[in-house]
Amino acid sequence: NAGVMQNPRHLVRRRGQEARLRCSPVKGHSHVYWYRQLPEEGLKFMVYLQKENIIDESGMPKERFSAEFPKEGPSILRIQQVVRGDSAAYFCASSPRDSGGYEQYFGPGTRLTVT
Amino acid sequence: GENVEQHPSTLSVQEGDSAVIKCTYSDSASNYFPWYKQELGKRPQLIIDIRSNVGEKKDQRIAVTLNKTAKHFSLHITETQPEDSAVYFCAASIGDKLIFGTGTRLQVFP
Repeated sequence: NAGVMQNPRHLVRRRGQEARLRCSPVKGHSHVYWYRQLPEEGLKFMVYLQKENIIDESGMPKERFSAEFPKEGPSILRIQQVVRGDSAAYFCASSPRDSGGYEQYFGPGTRLTVT
Repeated sequence: GENVEQHPSTLSVQEGDSAVIKCTYSDSASNYFPWYKQELGKRPQLIIDIRSNVGEKKDQRIAVTLNKTAKHFSLHITETQPEDSAVYFCAASIGDKLIFGTGTRLQVFP
C-alpha cells in the first residue's frame, strides 16, 4: 500500500481558486477511488475510475468537482472555484480488481485548506 | 439506502484487555467487508477483511466475524497494546464501491 502516491500532501487555496489533486496508483493497479474525509469524520466515497473511464461518480458533487484517469499519467481530482466547505483530506485508493477482490490501498492523502 | 453503522464511537480499554467494534450494513448484496486502521494524520491501512462466504477470519491478535443473516460484522482485538490506539473504520461493498462506517476511536491505556 505504500505504492499509492498523492501530491501535493498539503494544498492551500483561496476561495474561488482551483485545486488539482493527483494520485498515482500502485504499479499495475488500474482502478482508482477518491474519498473525502472531513475532520473527525469517516471516509465518503466520491468517484471510481478505471483507465479513461468514470465508472461510478455517485458521490461527486454535481458542480465544481471533476475527476479523470487518463491512459498515461496520474488520476486527477479537480475542484473549481473552491469554497471553505471544500477544506478536507482527500484520499485516493487503488485496487487490483482483477484479483477478484475489492482490496483498496490508500495513499497518504492531500489536505486541502481553503482560506 | 446505502448505510453502514458502527459502534461504539469511542472505546477505552486497559492494555491486555480485548476490544470489540461492531458494524451493521443495509444492503444484502454486500459481499466484502474490510477493516481499516487510521492513526492521526496518516492514511487508512487495511488490517483485515472478510468475504460473505466466510463466517470468521483471524490474523494473530485480530479477528473478524460476519453474520450475513443479521447483517452484522465485528472486529475483535485481543491482548491490546498501546500501539493499537487509532481510529478503526469498517466498510461494506455496495456495487463497485465501499461504504465506510463513521469510525471508532480506540484508546489503549498502559
